[in-house]
Amino acid sequence: GAGVSQSPRYKVAKRGQDVALRCDPISGHVSLFWYQQALGQGPEFLTYFQNEAQLDKSGLPSDRFFAERPEGSVSTLKIQRTQQEDSAVYLCASSLRQSTDTQYFGPGTRLTVL
Amino acid sequence: SQKIEQNSEALNIQEGKTATLTCNYTNYSPAYLQWYRQDPGRGPVFLLLIRENEKEKRKERLKVTFDTTLKQSLFHITASQPADSATYLCALDRTGGYNKLIFGAGTRLAVHP
Repeated sequence: GAGVSQSPRYKVAKRGQDVALRCDPISGHVSLFWYQQALGQGPEFLTYFQNEAQLDKSGLPSDRFFAERPEGSVSTLKIQRTQQEDSAVYLCASSLRQSTDTQYFGPGTRLTVL
Repeated sequence: SQKIEQNSEALNIQEGKTATLTCNYTNYSPAYLQWYRQDPGRGPVFLLLIRENEKEKRKERLKVTFDTTLKQSLFHITASQPADSATYLCALDRTGGYNKLIFGAGTRLAVHP
């Protein structure tokens, strides 16, 4: 079956622009995570959804970052007024339930802010 | 704060040898620890999970150990192959009950023919 997909794969934005990154999780997966991965680093947790409920957004770096999953499937991560420090790969992962279920990662969106 | 350390230097080994990667952590007592593989331009892929009450776990050529006293996990790949070349990430669960993970920076493994 299809895995987690993300779009776009690459995004170049001018500083100050708003961007929207999309994640299509595996069908039926309850849990959805967003991570930010800087070059040479491991993924860092941003936010977590259980179905449509955003249960944890403690990792979002600032109020310019906003995530939603309105129908409990597709999720969008929005970054307003992008800054150069926002440049990173944004990874989405989904898992069937919660607890220790395996997280399946998408390929990521590489965001470059000029 | 919780901290995970993985060897930042790349590990270069000869094909057929055993690769051993280290993950150390501080200021935390995780319920379980996971290892992932990440290839360039791709998302991490889950490999193994080991719980705090397990000393060792195996899967094919992979072996993971978990020493909660030393706060360390070792990840072994036996009979290594060039196809094993990738970055390997260690991840610990955080509080919350929903598999919220904190990742190490990863160790790059290069297996040479």
